[in-house]
Amino acid sequence: AQSVTQLDSQVPVFEEAPVELRCNYSSSVSVYLFWYVQYPNQGLQLLLKYLSGSTLVKGINGFEAEFNKSQTSFHLRKPSVHISDTAEYFCAVSGISGGYNKLIFGAGTRLAVHP
Amino acid sequence: GAVVSQHPSRVICKSGTSVKIECRSLDFQATTMFWYRQFPKQSLMLMATSNEGSKATYEQGVEKDKFLINHASLTLSTLTVTSAHPEDSSFYICSARDTVTRAVGGYTFGSGTRLTVV
Repeated sequence: AQSVTQLDSQVPVFEEAPVELRCNYSSSVSVYLFWYVQYPNQGLQLLLKYLSGSTLVKGINGFEAEFNKSQTSFHLRKPSVHISDTAEYFCAVSGISGGYNKLIFGAGTRLAVHP
Repeated sequence: GAVVSQHPSRVICKSGTSVKIECRSLDFQATTMFWYRQFPKQSLMLMATSNEGSKATYEQGVEKDKFLINHASLTLSTLTVTSAHPEDSSFYICSARDTVTRAVGGYTFGSGTRLTVV
């Protein structure tokens, strides 16, 4: 079984400042890792995903994340945030092998960008 | 890209009635669909996994007789909340797994359904 821990429930930041949203995972098997963003009353939009290969993954809207196997982490970063980045961010994990490979989500991090 | 359409986006129903939520994959075939529930300011909790033509697999603690899932075709899965009560009020989101990209972790989410039971 897999589990995900998002270490910060809320992250306030000023516009144009850098931000890091932290995510740690636990799994007994190899995993795929994901970051999703959710705006109020909407579904989830994929920001980026790590499947294999380079541990630095670049996604949409200027976000990137780095997979660190030894620390079982997949932190999300953006060098300069915008007001429009205010949203809920979810880290998720799925096992690679097996049948349906269901996605397991972390508790979410609320990013609040202030002017 | 892959698109999942979820309807309705909002529904209000009386206690004791049943509500059906539809999830359609518009431009791809999804042999597997997932149903999640999200309470305010909380994460997504997986309720069940449905495979086309098979019975859904429910997560522990989810009442299968209350949350009926049907996945009759490769593009449609439905979630019916039977005899709804106020505690069933929540945001329900479906996700479809793209059969073409399943080897590379392809999941597409619907826009969600806000269910309010009064």
